[in-house]
Amino acid sequence: SAVISQKPSRDICQRGTSLTIQCQVDSQVTMMFWYRQQPGQSLTLIATANQGSEATYESGFVIDKFPISRPNLTFSTLTVSNMSPEDSSIYLCSVEVWDGSSYEQYFGPGTRLTVT
Amino acid sequence: LAKTTQPISMDSYEGQEVNITCSHNNIATNDYITWYQQFPSQGPRFIIQGYKTKVTNEVASLFIPADRKSSTLSLPRVSLSDTAVYYCLVALLNDYKLSFGAGTTVTVRA
Repeated sequence: SAVISQKPSRDICQRGTSLTIQCQVDSQVTMMFWYRQQPGQSLTLIATANQGSEATYESGFVIDKFPISRPNLTFSTLTVSNMSPEDSSIYLCSVEVWDGSSYEQYFGPGTRLTVT
Repeated sequence: LAKTTQPISMDSYEGQEVNITCSHNNIATNDYITWYQQFPSQGPRFIIQGYKTKVTNEVASLFIPADRKSSTLSLPRVSLSDTAVYYCLVALLNDYKLSFGAGTTVTVRA
């Protein structure tokens, strides 16, 4: 299993500013993921972050808007840059762990971002 | 990734069994079926995973017919705390790119 914490848990930001979200895992993991969940919607994968390499972004997400760092095997950050109200969402990080019989993804509690 | 279809919502009462059926008609030979649960203001939580027949753990059971074109998540004797959104996902065992559909909102009433 894995226990994931995120900071901040929520924030209200002004448009045009940037916010960096931190994700900390209690064990070393190879792959970390960042998701977005817009109000009332399902989760959408933003990018995959592997330690020691550039993050891989999904269609519709770009590095300039969502730069990601992965300095070690237990930590990652996601920055939401030049924010607009459309960026108001819950941002979640997750990790994948093999438990001996299946791959499980563990999710953090999420960061609720409101852009005014 | 195989597309999944599940009911938007289901209502139940405490102590009842809740069965959520997910359709995945174009599931591939090597795809597995995984269910996640998400409470309000929390990230999704893995519930159960299976390939065929029946899988049971301390939380739920997963029934998969022989053709694997559908699956049913069974929650025995639900309580108010089981109110959540339940997601059915179909993907390769080690496919980390999870594709979440709309999910099923289960509301348990007293």
